[in-house]
Parts: sequence; structure tokens; C-alpha cells
Amino acid sequence: DAKTTQPNSMESNEEEPVHLPCNHSTISGTDYIHWYRQLPSQGPEYVIHGLTSNVNNRMASLAIAEDRKSSTLILHRATLRDAAVYYCILRDVDNDMRFGAGTRLTVKP
Amino acid sequence: DVKVTQSSRYLVKRTGEKVFLECVQDMDHENMFWYRQDPGLGLRLIYFSYDVKMKEKGDIPEGYSVSREKKERFSLILESASTNQTSMYLCASSPILATQETQYFGPGTRLLVL
Repeated sequence: DAKTTQPNSMESNEEEPVHLPCNHSTISGTDYIHWYRQLPSQGPEYVIHGLTSNVNNRMASLAIAEDRKSSTLILHRATLRDAAVYYCILRDVDNDMRFGAGTRLTVKP
Repeated sequence: DVKVTQSSRYLVKRTGEKVFLECVQDMDHENMFWYRQDPGLGLRLIYFSYDVKMKEKGDIPEGYSVSREKKERFSLILESASTNQTSMYLCASSPILATQETQYFGPGTRLLVL
């Protein structure tokens, strides 16, 4: 199974951009890259996903490396409400969602 | 908005009790999932269902069973609860099984087995 590697934790200042990296060197050509986040005491929520091209939505941007072996979730202006654990997940043909440990993002006022 | 609700936020049970965790989704999704989340282990898939009365084992089905009698409802059953089943249980649903499809999660049930 293709796996992802993320830093355990990151810190950001409020209203500054945050770049959350994810390595997935064994990604296959049909794997979609998904990002979810989990706020304290809540279930995970979808953030964004992509296959090859960079993606933008109202929550974040996803930058995918040309070789697809890594990706970066970009929060353009972090707020205190963005403090959460961010998970980078590969969805394969079996459609399994395998959550790793994720990156715990702390946002400082 | 999609809403996935779980019957309890917190539950305390004794070893050997039969435990029912209920999950309901209101968006007519075909697929429903049960995960457990433990510190350091992330989310692990217990069972999922892609249709009424259909079920598939996930990564850790031992000690659990499921029931899907209606499309909107997916129940997780612990036939005889044990202390190692103390965990956060998360239910999710999605419209179809596709690699680009989003899963919508409920708020979770924190179960303590004494």
C-alpha cells in the first residue's frame, strides 16, 4: 500500500500562510491525494483532493509535485480555528482510506 | 449540508456487556463506514457497507459486527465488550465508492469499557 509521511507537528502564527508537506514516494498513477483535518473533539472533515494538477477551494490549496511523490497543503491565512490534525491520505483503486498520524498544526495568536 | 449523527458522544460500559453504536446519515449515501481512533494508531477501518444488508470487513473486524437494515442507518455491535475496545468510534458515509469521493464523518462516540 502506498504510504504517506508527514511531520508530527507544525506551528504557525495567525494570519500567516501555512505549508503542510506530505511525502508519498510510492504513489501509483491512479492514487488520488486527499487531505482531511480533525478539529479537537470532532470527526475528520474533508479539506481538498487532487490527482495531478494543483487544486484550489475555499478552504485551502493543494500543490502537487510534478512527479507526484510529494504534495503540500496550503492554508493562505491561518486562523485559530485552523488548529487541528491534518491528514494526507492516498485513495487507491480499493478506495481504502488509511489515516496516518497526521500533522498537528498549532496556530499562535 | 451532509449530516452524519451518532447516537452518543460518550458511553461507559462494563466488560462483557453488549454495546450498540448507532450511526445515521441524511444524504441517501450508499456507503457507510465504522472506524476506531486510538492515540498513535490513527483511524482504523472496522467494517464498511456499500448497500443495505451488505457488509465488508475492514482492517480490524475482530470483536465487532455490524448491521445495515436501512440505507440511512449503520450500527456497530460489540457482542461482549472488552477493555481493549475502549476507544473513539467514528462513523462516516460517502455517496459512491470512488477514489475521488469524499467521506463525511460523524462527531464520534468515545467509549470507555470498565
